[in-house]
Amino acid sequence: AQSVTQLGSHVSVSEGALVLLRCNYSSSVPPYLFWYVQYPNQGLQLLLKYTSAATLVKGINGFEAEFKKSETSFHLTKPSAHMSDAAEYFCAVRGFGGSQGNLIFGKGTKLSVKP
Amino acid sequence: NAGVTQTPKFQVLKTGQSMTLQCAQDMNHEYMSWYRQDPGMGLRLIHYSVGAGITDQGEVPNGYNVSRSTTEDFPLRLLSAAPSQTSVYFCASRAGSQPQHFGDGTRLSIL
Repeated sequence: AQSVTQLGSHVSVSEGALVLLRCNYSSSVPPYLFWYVQYPNQGLQLLLKYTSAATLVKGINGFEAEFKKSETSFHLTKPSAHMSDAAEYFCAVRGFGGSQGNLIFGKGTKLSVKP
Repeated sequence: NAGVTQTPKFQVLKTGQSMTLQCAQDMNHEYMSWYRQDPGMGLRLIHYSVGAGITDQGEVPNGYNVSRSTTEDFPLRLLSAAPSQTSVYFCASRAGSQPQHFGDGTRLSIL
């Protein structure tokens, strides 16, 4: 069965600092991995996805993630945080078999950006 | 360009009441699903559908019913509301292996 673990429920960075949000996955098959962002009182918006092509995936708003099979990781990074990046971020893996491709989410990491 | 539309956006119910959360998509997507979001729990799958007339249970289906009579609509019914069902509910749809599109959510409080 597939699962996702996000390390750190809250991360705080200063504006201009590196953003690193950690995600580790468990999957018995090559995974499809996703990062979504949720701004306050809004739905989820896709940041980027990994579907077994390039291991470094670039997304919207300057975010990128690197798939590392040896570490079963898919960490999200951004070189320089902006105040508008404050949101909750969810890592997800696509289920297989009986779950018919539905997403399995991590518990989320809330990012705060200090001026 | 509506995407996934959820109604209502907010609702307060009393314990024991029933209601239906509506979800409609205009992208002709085969797959639709309902998630609930609770603090510190991420999103958990309630029910999903792979096409009109076909539904199945997700991780947390108890207390909820769904049906899929058309491709566009996938309503979620609470049969007898309980305080434990206080949550934010998200509907999502997708085509094949493409990423899911999410609605803006329904915030439900049960007193």
